[in-house]
Amino acid sequence: DTEVTQTPKHLVMGMTNKKSLKCEQHMGHRAMYWYKQKAKKPPELMFVYSYEKLSINESVPSRFSPECPNSSLLNLHLHALQPEDSALYLCASSLQSWGGRQPQHFGDGTRLSIL
Amino acid sequence: SQQGEEDPQALSIQEGENATMNCSYKTSINNLQWYRQNSGRGLVHLILIRSNEREKHSGRLRVTLDTSKKSSSLLITASRAADTASYFCATDGSATQGGSEKLVFGKGTKLTVNP
Repeated sequence: DTEVTQTPKHLVMGMTNKKSLKCEQHMGHRAMYWYKQKAKKPPELMFVYSYEKLSINESVPSRFSPECPNSSLLNLHLHALQPEDSALYLCASSLQSWGGRQPQHFGDGTRLSIL
Repeated sequence: SQQGEEDPQALSIQEGENATMNCSYKTSINNLQWYRQNSGRGLVHLILIRSNEREKHSGRLRVTLDTSKKSSSLLITASRAADTASYFCATDGSATQGGSEKLVFGKGTKLTVNP
């Protein structure tokens, strides 16, 4: 069992749908991350939140909209996605920001399929 | 941009044998981490080694870091079928370059341990 919980585990949506991915951790971590991982590839960073503020946006298209309502929750709102957005979306957290200095704890991801 | 490159891309061994995976990177770093990912799951942190450290152990894992060669290796001793997974190195930026909140993952090594 992971300490970072992601829901849903699987999501199939059409290109015109609006959906949200949810991530939750109760370890008191103040940095949270969204990654995108395509099959047989490494995770690619999308967003970093530090103390509930967006600190890094890796030039992600606006059809992905992150939100950090509080220190335990991280959402990723999806709208008008493209088929190439189909991937495993991973959430991670670390005690503080500066992600390279501390271990990151990952959830098991949401596998997203765009029809 | 991708920082780490793992070698080999795939490795198949028998249970009980040792497995060695290598990671090379391009720019100077503060820290290097190794992660494991089982199929369809999130990443699990294994070891973090700082730039002023040369070797670190954790159970059956041994990580070395050679900053002069910009390379690291992960050794798994007495491998088990349960070690079958993909292994990724991940690096951050050097403080002299402003540091980084980002972890950049290498392409990974897919390890198969046959019973």
